[in-house]
Amino acid sequence: KQEVTQIPAALSVPEGENLVLNCSFTDSAIYNLQWFRQDPGKGLTSLLLIQSSQREQTSGRLNASLDKSSGRSTLYIAASQPGDSATYLCAVRPIQGAQKLVFGQGTRLTINP
Amino acid sequence: GAGVSQSPSNKVTEKGKDVELRCDPISGHTALYWYRQSLGQGLEFLIYFQGNSAPDKSGLPSDRFSAERTGGSVSTLTIQRTQQEDSAVYLCANTQAPTTYGYTFGSGTRLTVV
Repeated sequence: KQEVTQIPAALSVPEGENLVLNCSFTDSAIYNLQWFRQDPGKGLTSLLLIQSSQREQTSGRLNASLDKSSGRSTLYIAASQPGDSATYLCAVRPIQGAQKLVFGQGTRLTINP
Repeated sequence: GAGVSQSPSNKVTEKGKDVELRCDPISGHTALYWYRQSLGQGLEFLIYFQGNSAPDKSGLPSDRFSAERTGGSVSTLTIQRTQQEDSAVYLCANTQAPTTYGYTFGSGTRLTVV
């Protein structure tokens, strides 16, 4: 059974710092991995989608990497801003049961001005 | 439409009443999902629709929950005889075949049962 773990559960840093959020998954048989952002009481906004054949994806100040063989992904946020404060979720699309994304519990990020 | 639209955005209901939550998916996106997120919890899969295939209902927590998708488009999640533990954010998501596509989520319906 695929399990996704995100570390840390919460992170608080001063504005301007670069930071890394971690995601690990137990079964490397995946089609892709997706990072989402969720603001309090809101839905999920897709940030980056990495296919299983890819190593990384970049969008603005965000960079996500994928090491499928070791079951790890990282989300790198450069020059953090207070507006980056949110919960960040990673989810994998497993090959077995591809119709159901498997989510981590999320990392709650707070950027302090 | 350009995105996944859910209505209402907020719903407060009395215990024991029935509620209907609506999802308007992205045109042409054949796969539709409902997830639930309880306070402080992760996302819980409820039900999945793909084209004309029978839906995967394996995540529905009880027989008080049901969902339908009319004409391969709009979906309605119905909760009968609501209980306080049904209070959560209900999220609808879309994706396309093939499996290289990512998921697009709606903004959710926050359901509060009092």
